[in-house]
Amino acid sequence: DGGITQSPKYLFRKEGQNVTLSCEQNLNHDAMYWYRQDPGQGLRLIYYSQIVNDFQKGDIAEGYSVSREKKESFPLTVTSAQKNPTAFYLCASSVLSPRQGVQETQYFGPGTRLLVL
Amino acid sequence: GESVGLHLPTLSVQEGDNSIINCAYSNSASDYFIWYKQESGKGPQFIIDIRSNMDKRQGQRVTVLLNKTVKHLSLQIAATQPGDSAVYFCAENRAGANNLFFGTGTRLTVIP
Repeated sequence: DGGITQSPKYLFRKEGQNVTLSCEQNLNHDAMYWYRQDPGQGLRLIYYSQIVNDFQKGDIAEGYSVSREKKESFPLTVTSAQKNPTAFYLCASSVLSPRQGVQETQYFGPGTRLLVL
Repeated sequence: GESVGLHLPTLSVQEGDNSIINCAYSNSASDYFIWYKQESGKGPQFIIDIRSNMDKRQGQRVTVLLNKTVKHLSLQIAATQPGDSAVYFCAENRAGANNLFFGTGTRLTVIP
């Protein structure tokens, strides 16, 4: 059963704490993405990766870090430097178009809701 | 500035009626568009997509129309059902960019 999984569904962070959100896909997709969603707003790109051991900052990368050690995994760490981390975090993946700058459909996981204690 | 936006933040329709959700974009170089459906507390679900070399594409009960002249995209849902109640997003790929840009969404409510 192919798809994208995210865990945990809910995550609580204390002041000054780093937390890591998991994202795994078994779709054999090369590209993976992390988005942040706030109420009443569209999705904003945090980081994306098109190949293992490589990733690029999105529009709101400050206070976040990622790694891409395996093709199927793209964990996101919310660091203590992120002062307003409460949001719904969405991971997505897609095949990589052979043509530079051409996007393919992104498929999303179920999301992780991060709350600050 | 450039944006992907929606004409209406909310839309209420009677069950069985057709729904039309609109999306405006301002970047004439955008060449790929996707509609997503997001139910409360869940991740967005792909509905249908269209590339700029087409002006219409049909799926099961859904049709996407693209008017490049006025930079307008619409999603038509036929015979709307209660299960269609959700927030609908359009997303665009601006030519040369490595990611999608998302609108804020329209909340569709189906009245039984």
